[in-house]
Amino acid sequence: EAQVTQNPRYLITVTGKKLTVTCSQNMNHEYMSWYRQDPGLGLRQIYYSMNVEVTDKGDVPEGYKVSRKEKRNFPLILESPSPNQTSLYFCASSLLAGGLTGELFFGEGSRLTVL
Amino acid sequence: KNEVEQSPQNLTAQEGEFITINCSYSVGISALHWLQQHPGGGIVSLFMLSSGKKKHGRLIATINIQEKHSSLHITASHPRDSAVYICAPGGSEKLVFGKGTKLTVNP
Repeated sequence: EAQVTQNPRYLITVTGKKLTVTCSQNMNHEYMSWYRQDPGLGLRQIYYSMNVEVTDKGDVPEGYKVSRKEKRNFPLILESPSPNQTSLYFCASSLLAGGLTGELFFGEGSRLTVL
Repeated sequence: KNEVEQSPQNLTAQEGEFITINCSYSVGISALHWLQQHPGGGIVSLFMLSSGKKKHGRLIATINIQEKHSSLHITASHPRDSAVYICAPGGSEKLVFGKGTKLTVNP
């Protein structure tokens, strides 16, 4: 079954404790991206990747890191989480055709609380 | 920066009604996505379109690239269509999202 898998789905952590949210897709998609969703602000792009070893900042990259060492995985790293990173996070992937993203496939979301 | 406006923000309809959700954006783009977010939080892609019109079942999406405007129509709406609908202009790597339209369809 084609899917995007995020882990963990729920996490409560404390300020400053490094954490990684994993994202894996089984569709051989070139494009992967991370978003955060906050009430009243909607979805905002954190980082995206067009292919292995190719990543770039979205609109809200501060406080986050990513890596794309393999095509299927795109982990989101919070080196020193702060309470303003409390949010619902989504990973998504897509094929690229002619430079355009196609249908986006989303993970189920990861709800992160930083105390 | 691409500014995205969706209207209406909230919409309540009776089952069977024809629904229209609008999306306007400020920067020229090559494509636009329509997404559906269920009450449980999951997000599903409905359409990606770069011109004209696409239809999938009771859903129809249109886009006018020159006027920087897209619409999502739902024919014969049903309570299971109740969800938040989000437009996301930007067919290349960066996407900007509208704040969504919350649709409630009553039986």
